[in-house]
Amino acid sequence: QVQLVQSGAEVKKPGASVKVSCKVSDYALTYLAIHWVRQAPGSGLEWMGGLDPENIKRIIAQKFQGRVTLTEDRSTATAYMELSSLGSEDTAVYYCATAVTMVQPIDKWGQGTLVTVSS
Amino acid sequence: QSALAQPASVSGSPGQSITISCTGTSSDVGAYNYVSWYQQFPGKTPKLLIYDVTYRASGVSNRFSGSKSDNTASLTVSGLQPEDEADYYCSSYTSRHTHVFGGGTKLSVL
Repeated sequence: QVQLVQSGAEVKKPGASVKVSCKVSDYALTYLAIHWVRQAPGSGLEWMGGLDPENIKRIIAQKFQGRVTLTEDRSTATAYMELSSLGSEDTAVYYCATAVTMVQPIDKWGQGTLVTVSS
Repeated sequence: QSALAQPASVSGSPGQSITISCTGTSSDVGAYNYVSWYQQFPGKTPKLLIYDVTYRASGVSNRFSGSKSDNTASLTVSGLQPEDEADYYCSSYTSRHTHVFGGGTKLSVL
């Protein structure tokens, strides 16, 4: 059973960066696609990017290209999502999530990490 | 990549059926049979209901069904129950190898 445990809430100032971690089961980083999805307060789900395990390719939504960096530390089975140049519109709950392959649907979600951007 | 278009809200009475549409383009919904539907309650993480257009996820009631025609996918909830009141999101894989969600639909059971 895949477990996804995310880091705690963050408060950041505009212009700063935030790095959210997602500790997964050991095999998840090797065999599962890791997605990052965010949800602003009162708004819908927004796909940010993902890691395709088949070719270790990081795929970022066009809107976030240049601002989002996806990394992983296999020694600790942890995936990371870093978002830079934060603005108030980036205030949201950020989720990591997994799928069997990159084309398959997300079937497991982390608990979410609230990132608040405020001066 | 614009969000897939969903109605902001739909409503129905207990026992009735409702359908939520999800309109995309030939680069996403119309390109593949990789459309999924999620149910989300306030303060909770989304739950997968339907995948690959028509397949129900494990444990999902057969009152939920999915379909697709050209660039529009649909989720039908039959025999509405009060506990179906939630937000519903569609999602599609795209020709750019990304994913895109719909804007979400709030289902009210009157």
